[in-house]
Amino acid sequence: AQSVSQHNHHVILSEAASLELGCNYSYGGTVNLFWYVQYPGQHLQLLLKYFSGDPLVKGIKGFEAEFIKSKFSFNLRKPSVQWSDTAEYFCAVNAKYNQGGKLIFGQGTELSVKP
Amino acid sequence: EAGVAQSPRYKIIEKRQSVAFWCNPISGHATLYWYQQILGQGPKLLIQFQNNGVVDDSQLPKDRFSAERLKGVDSTLKIQPAKLEDSAVYLCASTPIRGAGNTIYFGEGSWLTVV
Repeated sequence: AQSVSQHNHHVILSEAASLELGCNYSYGGTVNLFWYVQYPGQHLQLLLKYFSGDPLVKGIKGFEAEFIKSKFSFNLRKPSVQWSDTAEYFCAVNAKYNQGGKLIFGQGTELSVKP
Repeated sequence: EAGVAQSPRYKIIEKRQSVAFWCNPISGHATLYWYQQILGQGPKLLIQFQNNGVVDDSQLPKDRFSAERLKGVDSTLKIQPAKLEDSAVYLCASTPIRGAGNTIYFGEGSWLTVV
């Protein structure tokens, strides 16, 4: 069965600090990978996604993620966080073939950025 | 473009009562999902529709949960009777067609508290 594990439940950073959120997945086949963000009181929004090609993916708001197939990882990074990045971040995967595209989510990482 | 609409946004009920949530997906989106997000966890798929047919309901607790999408557009998720552990956010999501390569768009969720 597919599963996604996010390493940190809650991360606290000061503005301008660098961010890296860990994500590992378990699945026997080929996957697509996603990072979603949920700002307080808002809906889940797609930050970035990896389907194929360059394993370094750039998303919105200065975020990027790197797919390392050998490590089954898809870590999210941002060089310099802002107070407005305070939100919950979810890593998700779906099977590239079959299974209808349903997403399997990690448990989420809450990011708090201090001004 | 209008997003995924859900109602009600908030609901408080007593255990053993019933509740229904409504979802209107993005216009033209054939695939609709209902996810359950318990506090501190990532969203978990309850049911997936393709037009008005069920694709996956393997994680839907069918003794108390039901969902329908009769005309292939709007959908309703019902819980009867509710239990304390059903307290969660119920997320509706949609995507244009079934398949792993499509971005899934989420609504703001319906927050359920069972007391």
